[in-house]
Amino acid sequence: QVQLVHSGAEVKKPGSSVNVSCKASGGTFSTYSISWVRQAPGQGLEWVGGVIPIFGTAKYAQKFQGRVTMTADESTSTAYMELSSLTSEDTAVYYCARGAPNWDDAFDVWGQGTLITVSS
Amino acid sequence: AIQLTQSPSSLSAFVGDTVTISCRASQVIISTLAWYQQKPGRAPKLLIYNAFRLESGVPSRFSGSGSGTDFTLTISSLQPDDFATYYCQQYDSDPTFGGGTKVEIK
Repeated sequence: QVQLVHSGAEVKKPGSSVNVSCKASGGTFSTYSISWVRQAPGQGLEWVGGVIPIFGTAKYAQKFQGRVTMTADESTSTAYMELSSLTSEDTAVYYCARGAPNWDDAFDVWGQGTLITVSS
Repeated sequence: AIQLTQSPSSLSAFVGDTVTISCRASQVIISTLAWYQQKPGRAPKLLIYNAFRLESGVPSRFSGSGSGTDFTLTISSLQPDDFATYYCQQYDSDPTFGGGTKVEIK
């Protein structure tokens, strides 16, 4: 069964960028989509965007267009999310989650999440 | 974007009760809807997909129903392990989630 393992928690200054990774082990990586979903403290879930490793294609929620980039490295089965121009409202746990390669499915495997704290 | 409205936002129930959670979509999404369970400090866990299909390993006391714009998650004979927050999610277009329903012990 595939597992998704996140990079560690980070503290960032407002205006800076953060890069979070999600490494898959124990199963197929490339032929699925990997989405990123965030959860601010005490709040609900919000889809940020996703990438399909085998095609190298990504799509993003309109809210994040222009300041998020998602990529994947098939050779290491790792997906990456870079979020720039950080503000305090970006403080959240960021989860990676596996979905269908045509985006037409639920997220069946989730990583443990990475806490990103934005603070001056 | 398709908006999902969950109700209630919270509920209290006894062990053994049957509870239902509603999820209404702002437009027709046919059956492209999933339900997740989340416990504090943990990642969400997929329970139901395609509106009514039970994810492997999920107890049969969880069931999903509905189509179009109105969907329901039912938990029969609530167990202590079921006290958590539940989210619906649509994947008919760019994914969106409902606001969540917290199920607490009465």
